[in-house]
Amino acid sequence: EAQVTQNPRYLITVTGKKLTVTCSQNMNHEYMSWYRQDPGLGLRQIYYSMNVEVTDKGDVPEGYKVSRKEKRNFPLILESPSPNQTSLYFCASSHTPDTQYFGPGTRLTVL
Amino acid sequence: KNEVEQSPQNLTAQEGEFITINCSYSVGISALHWLQQHPGGGIVSLFMLSSGKKKHGRLIATINIQEKHSSLHITASHPRDSAVYICAPSDNNDMRFGAGTRLTVKP
Repeated sequence: EAQVTQNPRYLITVTGKKLTVTCSQNMNHEYMSWYRQDPGLGLRQIYYSMNVEVTDKGDVPEGYKVSRKEKRNFPLILESPSPNQTSLYFCASSHTPDTQYFGPGTRLTVL
Repeated sequence: KNEVEQSPQNLTAQEGEFITINCSYSVGISALHWLQQHPGGGIVSLFMLSSGKKKHGRLIATINIQEKHSSLHITASHPRDSAVYICAPSDNNDMRFGAGTRLTVKP
């Protein structure tokens, strides 16, 4: 089954404790991206990747890192999480340009 | 002014009604996406269109590139259509998002 998976789905952590949210797709898509969704602000792009080893900043990259060592994986790294990074995070992938497939979302709470 | 404006913000309809959600954008685009976000949070891409009109079942999406406007129509609405609908114009993969329209269809 074609899908985008994210792990974990829910995470509660404390300020400053490094964390990684994984994203994996099995559709051989070149393009992958990370978004965060906040009430009143909608979806905003954090980082995107056009292909392996090619990443670029979106609208709100501060406080986040990504890597694209393999085509199927695009992890989101928070080196030192802060409470303002509490949000709902979505990973998405597509052939470029094409319909995007979204992961199920990761709800992160930073205390 | 927001780059992407959707209207209405909230919409309540009776089952069977014809629904229209509008999207106006000010950015240059290569395509425009309509997304559906279910109450549980999952996001599904409904359409990607760059011109004209597309139809999937009871859903129809239209776009007028010159006027920078797109509409999403739902015919014979059903309670299972209740969701947030998000307009997302994109320039290649640089996507911008509308705030969403929350649709509630009552039986």
